[in-house]
Amino acid sequence: QSVLTQPPSVSGAPGQSVTISCTGSSTNIGAGYDVHWYQQLPGSAPKLLIYSTSNRPTGVPDRFSGSKSGTSASLAITGLQAEDEADYYCQSPDSSLSGSKVFGTGTRVTVL
Amino acid sequence: QVQLQESGPGLVKPSETLSLTCSVSGGSMTNYFWSWIRQPPGKGLEWIGYIYYGGSTTYNPSLKSRIAMSVDTSKNQFSLELRSVTAADTAVYYCARVGATKGGAFDIWGHGTMFTVSS
Repeated sequence: QSVLTQPPSVSGAPGQSVTISCTGSSTNIGAGYDVHWYQQLPGSAPKLLIYSTSNRPTGVPDRFSGSKSGTSASLAITGLQAEDEADYYCQSPDSSLSGSKVFGTGTRVTVL
Repeated sequence: QVQLQESGPGLVKPSETLSLTCSVSGGSMTNYFWSWIRQPPGKGLEWIGYIYYGGSTTYNPSLKSRIAMSVDTSKNQFSLELRSVTAADTAVYYCARVGATKGGAFDIWGHGTMFTVSS
């Protein structure tokens, strides 16, 4: 049912940078709704990583940053570390689904 | 620190009703929306719905006909009922708070509880 599309996987060596895309449409990201990002470590509950496109909750390292353009959003991780190996999900409301909150398909980040 | 804890049966038979409760500790439920989210084994996240502390609800259209949420602020708890379950409802169920100052993001999550549908 997801209307937000992410690449299934991205990878990078320690210290490198990776970017995860989240492609939506005019009824979600393109409508100006906030985009949020979550990190899910193996065997754990998701954790809020970025809210309202580019804001970091207290305690989230500034290696993580978010941006948005048109109907897409992106999450960038710089200075990749082994502990960043996790699944990442974008999320936004969608007006075509009665304001439902939708999640992206998820991206597995692998640290080589 | 606000903490959330899900509770409920781990196993239910097909066609029966799942009932889950989320207990909120370390803070008030007032002025917040509270949500349920699920994740089938090996798959992504699916938003189920949310309930305001005052009782108003918004549900995922794909599940709307089978779910009901309720809140009991005197017990600092909110609940989910999912009727006529099938194997497709097997998942980890999370409760989460919708952050009032976080643009509507889910800012606090429970650890999750695994729920299996099997005869």
